[in-house]
Amino acid sequence: QKEVEQNSGPLSVPEGAIASLNCTYSDRGSQSFFWYRQYSGKSPELIMFIYSNGDKEDGRFTAQLNKASQYVSLLIRDSQPSDSATYLCAVNPPTGGGNKLTFGTGTQLKVEL
Amino acid sequence: DTGVSQDPRHKITKRGQNVTFRCDPISEHNRLYWYRQTLGQGPEFLTYFQNEAQLEKSRLLSDRFSAERPKGSFSTLEIQRTEQGDSAMYLCASSSRTHTDTQYFGPGTRLTVL
Repeated sequence: QKEVEQNSGPLSVPEGAIASLNCTYSDRGSQSFFWYRQYSGKSPELIMFIYSNGDKEDGRFTAQLNKASQYVSLLIRDSQPSDSATYLCAVNPPTGGGNKLTFGTGTQLKVEL
Repeated sequence: DTGVSQDPRHKITKRGQNVTFRCDPISEHNRLYWYRQTLGQGPEFLTYFQNEAQLEKSRLLSDRFSAERPKGSFSTLEIQRTEQGDSAMYLCASSSRTHTDTQYFGPGTRLTVL
């Protein structure tokens, strides 16, 4: 079982729709969770982090965490073509000593006009 | 704050050559990380510094790889006797004392080994 799993996609949504990106993790003791956006050929850009169960909203982005189900999601409201990118889920597992992030392989999002 | 910077942005080398990359973290960030990313994969952790001390190394970091952060500011990553399998994007990230696990990435150095 991979430590962090994401559907590779591509996930296609029409402009203005809600995009829902999902991630599961294997280490139940993980405490912090991150979403990075990565445009083709560029480096990852941090867009959201969440530590507690529930929802965290920042503009058009909402991160959702369910530790019991070991599940993290990212919702993007009013999706724009500029949101087309790969979204990486990252987890800071306790086995990593709290000093490294373990990433999924990313989900490619395509927002269509 | 200026962001994390990396140099060079691109490096093409022949197999067997040595290469060195530099990373300058965000000012006053005391933690610095190196990751490697290949096509279609997420970044993989290589090593981590707190100030000048290298505190963790991945088993991915073979004996040909060495990293330093001599004054607790910038860091270098050297790869000796490069192999074609070393071709990847090498990413540097940094985090602060107060938010140690919130890591910000630099633009990366793309290495191509011919």
